[in-house]
Amino acid sequence: NAGVTQTPKFRVLKTGQSMTLLCAQDMNHEYMYWYRQDPGMGLRLIHYSVGEGTTAKGEVPDGYNVSRLKKQNFLLGLESAAPSQTSVYFCASSSAGTTYTEAFFGQGTRLTVV
Amino acid sequence: AQTVTQSQPEMSVQEAETVTLSCTYDTSESNYYLFWYKQPPSRQMILVIRQEAYKQQNATENRFSVNFQKAAKSFSLKISDSQLGDTAMYSCAFINNAGGTSYGKLTFGQGTILTVHP
Repeated sequence: NAGVTQTPKFRVLKTGQSMTLLCAQDMNHEYMYWYRQDPGMGLRLIHYSVGEGTTAKGEVPDGYNVSRLKKQNFLLGLESAAPSQTSVYFCASSSAGTTYTEAFFGQGTRLTVV
Repeated sequence: AQTVTQSQPEMSVQEAETVTLSCTYDTSESNYYLFWYKQPPSRQMILVIRQEAYKQQNATENRFSVNFQKAAKSFSLKISDSQLGDTAMYSCAFINNAGGTSYGKLTFGQGTILTVHP
């Protein structure tokens, strides 16, 4: 069972470069999320999606864009990377419904912007 | 808005001893879930334990147990018989389960780095 897979695992970018992080889940989950994790701040929600073709802003959306063209994939884009975007990025997914079950996380992407 | 606070950035414990990690939260909701996640050096987020707010009984999973004080909005994690493999960052998390409006969005605390010494 693959679960949630993030690509790539590590990346170094120069300031101003762009890149896309890919998240894929094979659990047929409706909901998907992108979080960033910084020292001393815990995980913070960047963007999320409640279904194919939908996206919404989280707590820290500035500088990022997302797309969910297929139910199983959730892409996070950085159009012009900045050093403040150096972080570890986590993708997660969960099922929809009135009773919460559990979120499943990818293994994270360590991004360094120099 | 919900907030989750972990006031212990780092903690250490000797192998086989017991350690308690603190977490407080703030919410105006009555129906919610609380979680503790473990994150070893591999970065993988591992769900350790969960507590539904409507349940009075504290959740237990093997060596891990919680002390859930709803009135005080406190949710501490106790690790008994600590093992070297327990060395990790532990994050407390909250989700409002009021119908479908939460969309599964988790609110995390800052994390506590736990080191177990031999």
